[in-house]
Amino acid sequence: GAVVSQHPSRVICKSGTSVKIECRSLDFQATTMFWYRQFPKKSLMLMATSNEGSKATYEQGVEKDKFLINHASLTLSTLTVTSAHPEDSSFYICSAIDGTEAFFGQGTRLTVV
Amino acid sequence: AQSVTQLGSHVSVSEGALVLLRCNYSSSVPPYLFWYVQYPNQGLQLLLKYTTGATLVKGINGFEAEFKKSETSFHLTKPSAHMSDAAEYFCAVTISGGYNKLIFGAGTRLAVHP
Repeated sequence: GAVVSQHPSRVICKSGTSVKIECRSLDFQATTMFWYRQFPKKSLMLMATSNEGSKATYEQGVEKDKFLINHASLTLSTLTVTSAHPEDSSFYICSAIDGTEAFFGQGTRLTVV
Repeated sequence: AQSVTQLGSHVSVSEGALVLLRCNYSSSVPPYLFWYVQYPNQGLQLLLKYTTGATLVKGINGFEAEFKKSETSFHLTKPSAHMSDAAEYFCAVTISGGYNKLIFGAGTRLAVHP
């Protein structure tokens, strides 16, 4: 199947700094990617839909100014957590669509200290 | 609007026993349905999916699921559990006729005991 690579897998940052997470489709082009957030022992919450060449579509309650999404090419979407705070600590997962199937990245464990 | 309900946040079975993880969905249009498995600190891996056609779908690792429109269900089963099946399982739905965002259930943690 198709491969989605997410980087980094783990990151620790200081409160107030920004962190960028990359999501790449390695062997297919993805005009649409999705970013999810997963709290401990909880399900995946869709944060936003990333559209190549246009603005991302954010779900209700997600701060677009805090979670900046850029989908500059057909194989790369980035999520930047700006001015991170401890409550932003979470597991972030991206997915990309190939045909009728979603492929997921390995996830990024963000810890803000 | 679509939604997914997974009955039972934790399921425990003995090795070799039947695995049954329940999923019910709500959708105003014909759905696409999925089961994913997640191991600790990893992304999601697709087990199986239903889009159209045969309502009994077979997936990887011996899992299968049956789409029952009358019951709005898509339960996941495996005849004989293996220790390596211990993981978190998510049922998800999206609308048919073109890919859209996935809506996930709350997840079911499967424990397998020797």
